[in-house]
Amino acid sequence: EPEVTQTPSHQVTQMGQEVILRCVPISNHLYFYWYRQILGQKVEFLVSFYNNEISEKSEIFDDQFSVERPDGSNFTLKIRSTKLEDSAMYFCASTPQGNYGYTFGSGTRLTVV
Amino acid sequence: AQSVTQLDSHVSVSEGTPVLLRCNYSSSYSPSLFWYVQHPNKGLQLLLKYTSAATLVKGINGFEAEFKKSETSFHLTKPSAHMSDAAEYFCVVSDYGTGGGADGLTFGKGTHLIIQP
Repeated sequence: EPEVTQTPSHQVTQMGQEVILRCVPISNHLYFYWYRQILGQKVEFLVSFYNNEISEKSEIFDDQFSVERPDGSNFTLKIRSTKLEDSAMYFCASTPQGNYGYTFGSGTRLTVV
Repeated sequence: AQSVTQLDSHVSVSEGTPVLLRCNYSSSYSPSLFWYVQHPNKGLQLLLKYTSAATLVKGINGFEAEFKKSETSFHLTKPSAHMSDAAEYFCVVSDYGTGGGADGLTFGKGTHLIIQP
């Protein structure tokens, strides 16, 4: 069964530092997503990406966040200057077509100290 | 706009007894509905999905859910709970026909399922 791979599984960073979370979506998928789950809260949509550009983003996805597909396999989420409230589990997902056939990665737990 | 309401934040059942996790949704279009499970410190695993085919959907690990349009519900059931079912369960909705099909999923707040021995 194809998988979405996320690295690292856990990252600790100091407040104000830049962090990059990495994802390798399923190879023939075309849509890519980032979701966030703050501890004890529900999973929230951050951003979707298709054809090398952002398709949709939520209010959470402000100027501190950016996404990139630097090559044919990776999909990254960058947080420029991390804040304590960015501490969360970040999930990457991909689909072969929009809104169908989601596969989620196992997540990166980001801890900002 | 789409939304999901999971009616119970916590459900506790005894091992071997039935499980019912309730979910109501609202959607402007024909929705797709999903149930995901999250075990402690693990990622999201798809249990089952409804995408406008049969209204009774069977998933993994003995779970099933029934789509009831008149009640806007998609409750998750299992006839007999097992200790390994203890986890967080999320009901999720996705609209077709909005945002070009790339506007993501809407998650419920989750139901924490506790299995008593």
